[in-house]
Amino acid sequence: ILNVEQSPQSLHVQEGDSTNFTCSFPSSNFYALHWYRWETAKSPEALFVMTLNGDEKKKGRISATLNTKEGYSYLYIKGSQPEDSATYLCAFMNTDKLIFGTGTRLQVFP
Amino acid sequence: DTAVSQTPKYLVTQMGNDKSIKCEQNLGHDTMYWYKQDSKKFLKIMFSYNNKELIINETVPNRFSPKSPDKAHLNLHINSLELGDSAVYFCASSQGTSGGAYIQYFGAGTRLSVL
Repeated sequence: ILNVEQSPQSLHVQEGDSTNFTCSFPSSNFYALHWYRWETAKSPEALFVMTLNGDEKKKGRISATLNTKEGYSYLYIKGSQPEDSATYLCAFMNTDKLIFGTGTRLQVFP
Repeated sequence: DTAVSQTPKYLVTQMGNDKSIKCEQNLGHDTMYWYKQDSKKFLKIMFSYNNKELIINETVPNRFSPKSPDKAHLNLHINSLELGDSAVYFCASSQGTSGGAYIQYFGAGTRLSVL
């Protein structure tokens, strides 16, 4: 059974704080690692897709790193804003399908 | 314009009924998916179609039958609904599947409640 684990499960931060979450996945048969942002009552939206060990991606204040040898990825948010409040999902691509973690629910208070 | 649209958004029905959920994408993608969000909030793949051909079928009961009339549509038909089928079902699409580098675009979900 392939498991993707995310931690923490939830996080509450003040506006302006920087934060990060972890995604752990199996280190064998790695094809890709996806990060999605999921706001309540909306569809999950892709943030990043990473395929190479050592990949770093950035989109505005959000960035992600990838270590395929040890099986983890970090997502960083710099200077959190209330609009960053959402669930952040990672998903591990194993051969032909995405296996999702349960997400980290982030709440940013003004 | 919504890229991946599912209908209906909510579906409340009795046990034993047959129901369908429709999905359409206007992105020109080749691959479409159905996911089920289970009680622990995991998104789990059910089916995937590439150019109208089934490529993933994840040990889903055969009461669930996907149908892809063309590559822009992937409908999910469920026969003899059971209480345990209550969940949120998400449709998604991507440009391809090879290597996992294609992001998936999700619909807004259909909340199915079986009474």
